[in-house]
Amino acid sequence: EIVLTQSPDTLSLSPGERATLSCRASQSVSSSSLAWYQLKPGQAPRLLIYGVSTRATGIPDRFSGSGSPTDFTLTISRLEPEDFAVYYCQQYGSSPRTFGQGTKVEIK
Amino acid sequence: EVQLGESGGGLVQPGRSLRLSCTASGFTFGDYAMSWVRQAPGKGLEWVGFIRSKGYGGTTEYAASVKGRFTISRDDSKNIAYLQMNSLKTEDTAVYYCTRDIDPRGFDIYYYMDVWGKGTTVTVSS
Repeated sequence: EIVLTQSPDTLSLSPGERATLSCRASQSVSSSSLAWYQLKPGQAPRLLIYGVSTRATGIPDRFSGSGSPTDFTLTISRLEPEDFAVYYCQQYGSSPRTFGQGTKVEIK
Repeated sequence: EVQLGESGGGLVQPGRSLRLSCTASGFTFGDYAMSWVRQAPGKGLEWVGFIRSKGYGGTTEYAASVKGRFTISRDDSKNIAYLQMNSLKTEDTAVYYCTRDIDPRGFDIYYYMDVWGKGTTVTVSS
């Protein structure tokens, strides 16, 4: 199975700053099949990005995704208060679908 | 509004069974594959398994950690997906989420999760 390793584990930033989250795959991710999700306590997780760089419906353009085929990045251009959360990458190009271990973006 | 709601979680002893339900609304349930994903305390997300839509055969796939113990089914007339969990272990303790899966290219291969529920908590303990 494809192992995804996210870095850093925790990112401490202030509102308005730029956040850069990394996701590295143990082997090539097939057909650009990489997604990013946002998790907040007590809320339903939210799809942010699919197909490496396509924003899901309703996701603000401060979120962007890039990379391939083993190194991927989620960038939040200017952090808003509601963006402090845990972010997971996921590959869905091969079975089993796997997630990274998550990056927590916390308020500095 | 597209929504998913999980129910059926609770405290259960090791070796016992539990069935979770995922009730969908706001979309044509039968047209979509559905997955279950879990998050153990202090851990990351783990895909548990999924069921295809009837249009793609309604077949299922499972993670190795639950294969042979967990079964996913669906009732399209009620807009509900189920996760039957048997022979539960303490390591199955987690928040269980159901998700709507989508493969926009229609290849029945590249499914990501575009809608999630809020989850239901399962605790396996004696």
